[in-house]
Amino acid sequence: SYVLTQPPSVSVAPGQTARITCGGNNIGSKSVHWYQQKPGQAPVLVVYDDSDRPSGIPERFSGSNSGNTATLTISRVEAGDEADYYCQVWDSSSDPVVFGGGTKLTVL
Amino acid sequence: QLQLQESGPGLVKPSETLSLTCTVSGGSISSSSYYWGWIRQPPGKGLEWIGSIYYSGSTYYNPSLKSRVTISVDTSKNQFSLKLSSVTAADTAVYYCARHRRGRATIHLDYWGQGTLVTVSS
Repeated sequence: SYVLTQPPSVSVAPGQTARITCGGNNIGSKSVHWYQQKPGQAPVLVVYDDSDRPSGIPERFSGSNSGNTATLTISRVEAGDEADYYCQVWDSSSDPVVFGGGTKLTVL
Repeated sequence: QLQLQESGPGLVKPSETLSLTCTVSGGSISSSSYYWGWIRQPPGKGLEWIGSIYYSGSTYYNPSLKSRVTISVDTSKNQFSLKLSSVTAADTAVYYCARHRRGRATIHLDYWGQGTLVTVSS
């Protein structure tokens, strides 16, 4: 089955830029989606189709995808961005929906 | 505004069948653009996709759970359901239902229920 690899944790100071990676074999050929999950809450879609934002998601959240790595970028990080972030793809060859292991973003 | 709400027992005994229902409001489950599915999250761990269903009844399951999972849909009630058989403590998790939006060769999950904790214990 298709595997997505995320770093367990990323730390960043307020106002700086956080970059969360999601690695997968030729992931650039797939559409990558990102979810934010705060403690005790359901996940929320923050980026879909590599770089599109749902309505209501700040422009500070952006995404890119090329080669074997997709990246979620959060600019001007705020304390409220502290959460777990998961990447996800659709893989027609095995598990249709695959999640990465998640990355805990800590705002210092 | 679309809303999804999970319901079902919060405690299931080992070897029994876990049953949950997701009620969709604010939109029709019969829309051709969406699948409807289930995801779970064991305490302190990541997300695991369980499976999904189209309003016509077509299903897709996680291969690791396929032998124990059944997802069904009731369009008259705007609901879909999950059954997971022969449960063990490893099935203890928060179970979420979510709308799966179909795109060009992709699917993403754009609306989620609040989740319901199911504990497997005697």
